[in-house]
Amino acid sequence: RKEVEQDPGPFNVPEGATVAFNCTYSNSASQSFFWYRQDCRKEPKLLMSVYSSGNEDGRFTAQLNRASQYISLLIRDSKLSDSATYLCVVNPSGTYKYIFGTGTRLKVLA
Amino acid sequence: EAGVAQSPRYKIIEKRQSVAFWCNPISGHATLYWYQQILGQGPKLLIQFQNNGVVDDSQLPKDRFSAERLKGVDSTLKIQPAKLEDSAVYLCASSPGLAVDTQYFGPGTRLTVL
Repeated sequence: RKEVEQDPGPFNVPEGATVAFNCTYSNSASQSFFWYRQDCRKEPKLLMSVYSSGNEDGRFTAQLNRASQYISLLIRDSKLSDSATYLCVVNPSGTYKYIFGTGTRLKVLA
Repeated sequence: EAGVAQSPRYKIIEKRQSVAFWCNPISGHATLYWYQQILGQGPKLLIQFQNNGVVDDSQLPKDRFSAERLKGVDSTLKIQPAKLEDSAVYLCASSPGLAVDTQYFGPGTRLTVL
């Protein structure tokens, strides 16, 4: 089993739609979680950290489910500019490194 | 504030040749990472430095890859000799400290091995 797993997509959604991605992780002791965004042929950039209590930033909401070992990202009112690959990142407990998922591709259609 | 700088941006070489990539992290960032990103995959950590010491190089193919960060600032990643499967984007990232924190990525070097 991979340490971090994501559905590669693509998820094709119309503008204004709500879309959600999940990411599962194998190490139950993992402590820190992040979502990064990567535009085509660009570098990854931090979208948001994922806290135990969940967090929201505008149209974006991230949640952590420790019991089922997954994190989620919800995007409301999708914009064309949201089209990108969303990378799930996990920091395994006891390490200083980051494990990236393969990413989920989102295409928002006009 | 200047971001993470990398050069070259693109490199095309033939298999069995050598290649080197350079990274200059954000000023004051103690931790530097080199990642390999193969098309369609997420970044894979190759090596992580804290100042000029290696924190993790467990996934670095040491028979052909080497990296250094001599003065705790700039870093160089070398491949010698290159194989076809080394074709990828090599991303450098930095973060302020060793604690789990936001990583800031450079634009990457796109390597094609023919």
